[in-house]
Amino acid sequence: EADIYQTPRYLVIGTGKKITLECSQTMGHDKMYWYQQDPGMELHLIHYSYGVNSTEKGDLSSESTVSRIRTEHFPLTLESARPSHTSQYLCASSGGGLTVTGELFFGEGSRLTVL
Amino acid sequence: SQQGEEDPQALSIQEGENATMNCSYKTSINNLQWYRQNSGRGLVHLILIRSNEREKHSGRLRVTLDTSKKSSSLLITASRAADTASYFCATVSRNRDDKIIFGKGTRLHILP
Repeated sequence: EADIYQTPRYLVIGTGKKITLECSQTMGHDKMYWYQQDPGMELHLIHYSYGVNSTEKGDLSSESTVSRIRTEHFPLTLESARPSHTSQYLCASSGGGLTVTGELFFGEGSRLTVL
Repeated sequence: SQQGEEDPQALSIQEGENATMNCSYKTSINNLQWYRQNSGRGLVHLILIRSNEREKHSGRLRVTLDTSKKSSSLLITASRAADTASYFCATVSRNRDDKIIFGKGTRLHILP
């Protein structure tokens, strides 16, 4: 059972609102990731972090920002939400280099709908 | 750009039959992984196969890897209704151990 938690699970908001999606893990993992996924579609990496105070942009350009002030916490923020941001956002973590430890642990996702 | 391409995109089979999904990729890999995603949920890791391995088993799952063809297959034997989900292959590059790239997935539906 993965110890990685995302809140909220579902969020419906109006255009222009600021939102923060929370992601926390209790496994002490250094590496954390945010993926964006439209229903039934592939995952796109939008942000990742190697550890505290480390953040990198992923392969898909995103207007969101992330921070990593504590090892266990990797929140994603949208300053001004738009309908194009409607999607599912998945947070994941890994315990080390993926060539060594391999797997990612995923949260249950946050489904965002912007009206 | 996405690394893995699963085939088929969707598959419906009768309960009890075997389900086979294929994945092709483009670059040299350190390992290839398969994940399952139930509708509206996060992904769950199923199995990992390293580039120097050719076949791996885990319960009803059998994964093969052909690095010369840059392809992998996932076989689920004696399928059950609970196997209904999307299945994704994902690759870790030989040179980048910080990124894992997912394919587009195969949507598997087990008919009762």
